Amino acid sequence: GAVVSQHPSWVICKSGTSVKIECRSLDFQATTMFWYRQFPKQSLMLMATSNEGSKATYEQGVEKDKFLINHASLTLSTLTVTSAHPEDSSFYICSADPGTGDEKLFFGSGTQLSVL
Amino acid sequence: KQEVTQIPAALSVPEGENLVLNCSFTDSAIYNLQWFRQDPGKGLTSLLLIQSSQREQTSGRLNASLDKSSGRSTLYIAASQPGDSATYLCATFQGDTDKLIFGTGTRLQVFP
Repeated sequence: GAVVSQHPSWVICKSGTSVKIECRSLDFQATTMFWYRQFPKQSLMLMATSNEGSKATYEQGVEKDKFLINHASLTLSTLTVTSAHPEDSSFYICSADPGTGDEKLFFGSGTQLSVL
Repeated sequence: KQEVTQIPAALSVPEGENLVLNCSFTDSAIYNLQWFRQDPGKGLTSLLLIQSSQREQTSGRLNASLDKSSGRSTLYIAASQPGDSATYLCATFQGDTDKLIFGTGTRLQVFP
């Protein structure tokens, strides 16, 4: 089956620093990737849709200057949390669409971000 | 806008019980509905995907049904085991888009 690799699995950083999270499709190309955020005991909330070679589309309420998304190739999308603050602490997870038309997405293993 | 809710929010049962998890969605014009499992601090494992033209799907001890007209899906877990303990999420797409909207989740604990 299709594999999506997400790195790092967890990160702890100081307030004010920037953190980059990578999402890679290992055995397929993904023109579209999605980024979700999940707070403790809550469901996944879509943050943005990342399209290869174009600007990401952000959901309402998500600051595009805060959460920078780059989809530079068909196998890699990155999410950078800029000037992270404690309220940005969350579980971030990506998914990739292989474009097979069956509407099946494949998910990364997630990144737990803790901002001190 | 599609909204997906799940009940119960949490469930704790002894091993061996048969379980029903419920998922409701507001927009019945769905393409498909998916059930996922999430272990604590981990990503998602796809369990079952039901196309809009289907009524149910089965995989091992899991059976998922879909009733589009009433906006409901159920996940039936037979003979539950402690290894089934996890959060179960249902999800469907927002309208005609490729945005997957997740339900609120059911946290299941099966104790020996």
